[in-house]
Amino acid sequence: QQQVKQSPQSLIVQKGGISIINCAYENTAFDYFPWYQQFPGKGPALLIAIRPDVSEKKEGRFTISFNKSAKQFSLHIMDSQPGDSATYFCAARGSTLGRLYFGRGTQLTVWP
Amino acid sequence: GAGVSQSPSNKVTEKGKDVELRCDPISGHTALYWYRQSLGQGLEFLIYFQGNSAPDKSGLPSDRFSAERTGGSVSTLTIQRTQQEDSAVYLCASSSDRPYYEQYFGPGTRLTVT
Repeated sequence: QQQVKQSPQSLIVQKGGISIINCAYENTAFDYFPWYQQFPGKGPALLIAIRPDVSEKKEGRFTISFNKSAKQFSLHIMDSQPGDSATYFCAARGSTLGRLYFGRGTQLTVWP
Repeated sequence: GAGVSQSPSNKVTEKGKDVELRCDPISGHTALYWYRQSLGQGLEFLIYFQGNSAPDKSGLPSDRFSAERTGGSVSTLTIQRTQQEDSAVYLCASSSDRPYYEQYFGPGTRLTVT
């Protein structure tokens, strides 16, 4: 059973556009929601994370929107750049030092 | 400071052989995790160590897989009698302390079983 569902599987965006990746979860015990960025041949790198006590968090061009009642959260990449082309994973965690449950990933391609 | 390191970066082994994969976590991180990433798949949890507590082994796919963490630092993941379906990238992560206990990943070990 997939604890975190991620969509779309792949996304193509023009340079300067907005990339939006969505995730949904069922377990209301989840209390921490990170996004990871992964380039080919590299390990996932923590990009941005949110806790459910806020509805939005912004860091530079990256924003997480969180809807607790709908059990959904999304990553928005503003002014997308070719260097943003990577695979993005959403994740969720149910306890402070517990394992992460990952979505299946979204392969983002930003065309110049 | 130094991030999570893993060795070897690549490992090719014959079916039926045993392999050992090593992870050096970020200094001072008390929690250590192993995940597996198969081609085109997401990240699959394998095992988690926290301090001196018993590890959470709930993600290990079979009894051919085992892991240990010595001295609360370095960890070794061992796969016995490797099978072709074990081919994947094995990722290690360690977790910071307060406030958010973020997990930081190493570069992974790409295991190919022929």
